[in-house]
Amino acid sequence: QSALTQPASVSGSPGQSITISCTGTSSDVGSYNLVSWYQQHPGKAPKLMIYEVSKRPSGVSNRFSGSKSGNTASLTISGLQAEDEADYYCCSYASSSTYVFGTGTKVTVL
Amino acid sequence: EVQLVESGGGLIQPGGSLRLSCAASGFTVSSNYMSWVRQAPGKGLEWVSVIYSGGSTNYADSVKGRFTISRDNSKNTLYLQMNSLRAEDTAVYYCARVVAVAFDSWGQGTLVTVSS
Repeated sequence: QSALTQPASVSGSPGQSITISCTGTSSDVGSYNLVSWYQQHPGKAPKLMIYEVSKRPSGVSNRFSGSKSGNTASLTISGLQAEDEADYYCCSYASSSTYVFGTGTKVTVL
Repeated sequence: EVQLVESGGGLIQPGGSLRLSCAASGFTVSSNYMSWVRQAPGKGLEWVSVIYSGGSTNYADSVKGRFTISRDNSKNTLYLQMNSLRAEDTAVYYCARVVAVAFDSWGQGTLVTVSS
């Protein structure tokens, strides 16, 4: 199972919106509405931000939103804040009951 | 409060074995799906294995036949038995609870270094 493709880096100024893409195949992203997104600060464990494509866990800011079209899922962060600077990973359920993560995106707040 | 605490990592020679533990509190391991996810130094996340509430298991191709996931219901603890370790298995290993097909709670991770 190959990793999902994400841009290596995305940047934005405070208050702006950014979008991170996550491209898979018809065997993972395209077949299941089971894409999740994780935020990871340096030296810390990942934190769930979005599940089932667009649902937010309790406690996650509504500045984070998710969507999907075909084989590509997206995470949008609106009203970018300094604390959003982190690595972000998508993950999809895949055929054969496995999971596949994305390559990861470093978000920089300018 | 849900809490996951991994232990058992360390330095091991290639070909060796190691067993990781993940002690859970605040919920019942046997009633949930549980997974191991690893992250090589400076690299991205990689899913390793899952154990379902019914006891069935699944593995990434990269560890199939070498790693075994299990749990001890009496200790509310998840395990990962790792055999025939390779340099490419060097990583921080996280245990995570799976809810709605997402990893909703994570431990702090334990570092496994495979080197001679």
